[in-house]
Amino acid sequence: QKEVEQDPGPLSVPEGAIVSLNCTYSNSAFQYFMWYRQYSRKGPELLMYTYSSGNKEDGRFTAQVDKSSKYISLFIRDSQPSDSATYLCASSNAGGTSYGKLTFGQGTILTVHP
Amino acid sequence: GAGVSQSPSNKVTEKGKDVELRCDPISGHTALYWYRQSLGQGLEFLIYFQGNSAPDKSGLPSDRFSAERTGGSVSTLTIQRTQQEDSAVYLCASSPGGGNQPQHFGDGTRLSIL
Repeated sequence: QKEVEQDPGPLSVPEGAIVSLNCTYSNSAFQYFMWYRQYSRKGPELLMYTYSSGNKEDGRFTAQVDKSSKYISLFIRDSQPSDSATYLCASSNAGGTSYGKLTFGQGTILTVHP
Repeated sequence: GAGVSQSPSNKVTEKGKDVELRCDPISGHTALYWYRQSLGQGLEFLIYFQGNSAPDKSGLPSDRFSAERTGGSVSTLTIQRTQQEDSAVYLCASSPGGGNQPQHFGDGTRLSIL
């Protein structure tokens, strides 16, 4: 079993829809949680970065972390065709020799159609 | 400013040859990471540098893989005696100080082994 599990989709939604992307993790030592967006043939681009449990909002994007259930979510409001990409969740420890090492989910392919 | 730069962007080589992949991090970033992205395995950590030293090499898949960093800046990932299973996108990321500071990725080197 992978330490971070993510439904690969694909997910297809109409423009303007609210998108919900989710991951679960198994490593209790994970304290930092990120969402990256990756366009085809490009590197991952950092979207959201959170520490421990709680919500964080940035424009149309909201990240949620529930450490009690080991559940990570990303919500995209008013989705646009330009949001079509692969979304990757990632987690890391707070210390030790693996400090900063990111463990990624498999990525969810999202298509927003006009 | 300039982001993480990787070269070459694409590399095709014959099985058994050695390859060198280069990463030029964001100026001033002391931490540098190598990851590998393949269809079957997703995005996986390979090695982490803080300055010129590598406190975490745990992700290197075999002794055919090595990496070095000189002058606290440019890093080279070397794969000796390449095998077909080495075909993947090799991604480099850097962060200002390591630990859990946000990592910023380059666009990767797409390596194909014939």
